[in-house]
Amino acid sequence: AQSVTQLGSHVSVSEGALVLLRCNYSSSVPPYLFWYVQYPNQGLQLLLKYTTGATLVKGINGFEAEFKKSETSFHLTKPSAHMSDAAEYFCALIQGAQKLVFGQGTRLTINP
Amino acid sequence: GAVVSQHPSRVICKSGTSVKIECRSLDFQATTMFWYRQFPKKSLMLMATSNEGSKATYEQGVEKDKFLINHASLTLSTLTVTSAHPEDSSFYICSARNAGGTGELFFGEGSRLTVL
Repeated sequence: AQSVTQLGSHVSVSEGALVLLRCNYSSSVPPYLFWYVQYPNQGLQLLLKYTTGATLVKGINGFEAEFKKSETSFHLTKPSAHMSDAAEYFCALIQGAQKLVFGQGTRLTINP
Repeated sequence: GAVVSQHPSRVICKSGTSVKIECRSLDFQATTMFWYRQFPKKSLMLMATSNEGSKATYEQGVEKDKFLINHASLTLSTLTVTSAHPEDSSFYICSARNAGGTGELFFGEGSRLTVL
């Protein structure tokens, strides 16, 4: 079965510091991977996705993620954190034809 | 970009009543929609896959008689929580696939249900 594991349920960084949110996956087939952001009491917004091709994927709001097959990872990064980045972040992959399987989520807190 | 709208965004009801939540794709047709449930500080759990014109496919452990799903048109799916109880209180989120475009999934804003 395919699964997604996010390391760290809560990450706290200072404003302007590097953001690194970790995601590892397990899949028997080449995965399609996603990062979503959720602000309080809202739905999910797609940050970026990897399907095929270039392994370094750039998304919205300055985020990017790199697909590393050898490490089965798809970590999310942003060079400089902004206060508005505080939110819940979910890593996910497509299972079967169309079901999204989500990781447990990581709450990102930005310290002024 | 494609928009998926949920209504109501918040609903409070008494125990034993039924509540209907709508999920609409506003500018694309969606033959498939998905309903998720999210507990506080938890991830999203897929409840069911809603297929236009046919019965929904429920995930293991989800009571189909409790959570009625109807996908009567290419732009609307509804989730009805029947005989709601306090333990049904949760954040319900739908998503829809833009079958005619890139196939990307778009999420609704979510509906927070509180059962008193």
